[in-house]
Amino acid sequence: RKEVEQDPGPFNVPEGATVAFNCTYSNSASQSFFWYRQDCRKEPKLLMSVYSSGNEDGRFTAQLNRASQYISLLIRDSKLSDSATYLCGIAGGTSYGKLTFGQGTILTVHP
Amino acid sequence: EAGVTQFPSHSVIEKGQTVTLRCDPISGHDNLYWYRRVMGKEIKFLLHFVKESKQDESGMPNNRFLAERTGGTYSTLKVQPAELEDSGVYFCASSQRAAGGYTFGSGTRLTVV
Repeated sequence: RKEVEQDPGPFNVPEGATVAFNCTYSNSASQSFFWYRQDCRKEPKLLMSVYSSGNEDGRFTAQLNRASQYISLLIRDSKLSDSATYLCGIAGGTSYGKLTFGQGTILTVHP
Repeated sequence: EAGVTQFPSHSVIEKGQTVTLRCDPISGHDNLYWYRRVMGKEIKFLLHFVKESKQDESGMPNNRFLAERTGGTYSTLKVQPAELEDSGVYFCASSQRAAGGYTFGSGTRLTVV
């Protein structure tokens, strides 16, 4: 079993839709959780950190479920510009600086 | 604020040759990381520097890979001799805190032929 797993998608949604992705992790000692966005042939860019209490940034909401060992990202009112690959990155245990990434979930928002 | 800079952006070399990748982190970021993405796979950790020291090099594939960060500023990653399976995109990232979110560079696309 992989340390971090994501549904690769693709998710194809119309503009204005709400879409959610999950990312499961196997290391219960994980401490830090992040969502990154990666556009085609570009570098990953930090979208948001994920806190235990959940956090929101505009149309984006991230949540952490430690009991079930997953994080989620909810995008409301999808825009065409949200089309990208969404990566989860998880750190913790003894290698606190190292992020383990999922394979990414591809999102395509269409008109 | 200048971001993380990587050089070169692309490199095509023959099997057996040597290539050196360079990364300039964001000024003041003590933590510097190297990652690699092989086509079709997830981004994989290679190593983590804190200033000039290697904090974690558990992801380095083998001894053909050598990373340095002399003086705790920029870092180089040398592959010698390169093999076909070394092809991929090498990303560098930096952060102020070790457990903080990173800023990635735009990557070096390495192709070994």
